[in-house]
Amino acid sequence: SQQGEEDPQALSIQEGENATMNCSYKTSINNLQWYRQNSGRGLVHLILIRSNEREKHSGRLRVTLDTSKKSSSLLITASRAADTASYFCATAQGGSEKLVFGKGTKLTVNP
Amino acid sequence: DARVTQTPRHKVTEMGQEVTMRCQPILGHNTVFWYRQTMMQGLELLAYFRNRAPLDDSGMPKDRFSAEMPDATLATLKIQPSEPRDSAVYFCASGPLGYTGELFFGEGSRLTVL
Repeated sequence: SQQGEEDPQALSIQEGENATMNCSYKTSINNLQWYRQNSGRGLVHLILIRSNEREKHSGRLRVTLDTSKKSSSLLITASRAADTASYFCATAQGGSEKLVFGKGTKLTVNP
Repeated sequence: DARVTQTPRHKVTEMGQEVTMRCQPILGHNTVFWYRQTMMQGLELLAYFRNRAPLDDSGMPKDRFSAEMPDATLATLKIQPSEPRDSAVYFCASGPLGYTGELFFGEGSRLTVL
């Protein structure tokens, strides 16, 4: 069963614009992760944010976590055509190690 | 360049046939996950292993699926007999010793059951 749910399901923007994707989850978590999947490829880990962190940066990526609202957002700044991919959030409930993925946001960055 | 290797990348088979998918985790990684991805269901966790021992396979249809780790460098997922509804991309992912959550995925095995 899905723990995280991404929103929107699809997003189309122009190169240079920022892209924001959201993830909501249902139960308490140890950490929340974001992954990227290019078409026909495996998932690639982008960033992990722990439950006691509120914000984290990695290059053009910014992730926020609001545990009171059980939600997270992924911001990609100054997007590039190469950012075109599906983005997934993943969580492990409570003390579990089982990483459960949402259905993803499909991002298209138009040149 | 350490990576998770999955074989075969593509497999087309007929209903009723046995299918075996193989995964070589990154050397030194002791946690291995199997996921299945379809358009309808997204990514579903099938099973996961720690130090070759199965910790959870509750996501796997028990009557036809089996997962094993014969040794630390090989994980297998077997479907017998296969059915059209098993058509999906199957991913293996591994995590390092002291696994804290980050997984490294293979490129997947795309299975089509006719």
